[in-house]
Amino acid sequence: GAGVSQSPSNKVTEKGKDVELRCDPISGHTALYWYRQSLGQGLEFLIYFQGNSAPDKSGLPSDRFSAERTGGSVSTLTIQRTQQEDSAVYLCASSWDLSFNQPQHFGDGTRLSIL
Amino acid sequence: AQSVSQHNHHVILSEAASLELGCNYSYGGTVNLFWYVQYPGQHLQLLLKYFSGDPLVKGIKGFEAEFIKSKFSFNLRKPSVQWSDTAEYFCAVTLNTGFQKLVFGTGTRLLVSP
Repeated sequence: GAGVSQSPSNKVTEKGKDVELRCDPISGHTALYWYRQSLGQGLEFLIYFQGNSAPDKSGLPSDRFSAERTGGSVSTLTIQRTQQEDSAVYLCASSWDLSFNQPQHFGDGTRLSIL
Repeated sequence: AQSVSQHNHHVILSEAASLELGCNYSYGGTVNLFWYVQYPGQHLQLLLKYFSGDPLVKGIKGFEAEFIKSKFSFNLRKPSVQWSDTAEYFCAVTLNTGFQKLVFGTGTRLLVSP
């Protein structure tokens, strides 16, 4: 596709449920990033992938958060046992590779609301 | 850890006014600097970027930014704003080492009145 695609665009769920957020990067982009945009924290980095590998998971807020990427393409961010503080817009970005001169292109995000 | 500060949280301007949004970062090493814009209901878009060379960078839609290394600043400017510039603007930085984790400022909401 022409841009980074994220689904669903909106997700409302009850506290304690698990959610899966999907990101389909720009075709050919090997690097993929997840960020979170929330009122209290602004835009914060969560995790990145080079190919299918996520070398640094230290940005994930808790062990309830996990992410995977398969086939060097689609990535899924999973939040288990959701809490109200998980409510935020989850943004995915991709870039050609990890080189510093390759800008990141963002998707529209998934707005997650935990009741 | 590096951080990015945007001092103006909300800016209101009339059309044709000049714009300058402040951005300062805290890191002594080599950095890459970015301004992203988020129009209402749209995704983050890259306005301009600085990696090296001429510290005055020109971006899309008439925006420019100047990197002043001695002041750790990368302020965004536009000589004459339009109503369509109403958006939220984010300054961001990555380091020249390791992977490209974007560290964002808190953003500045710009409202341009017609």
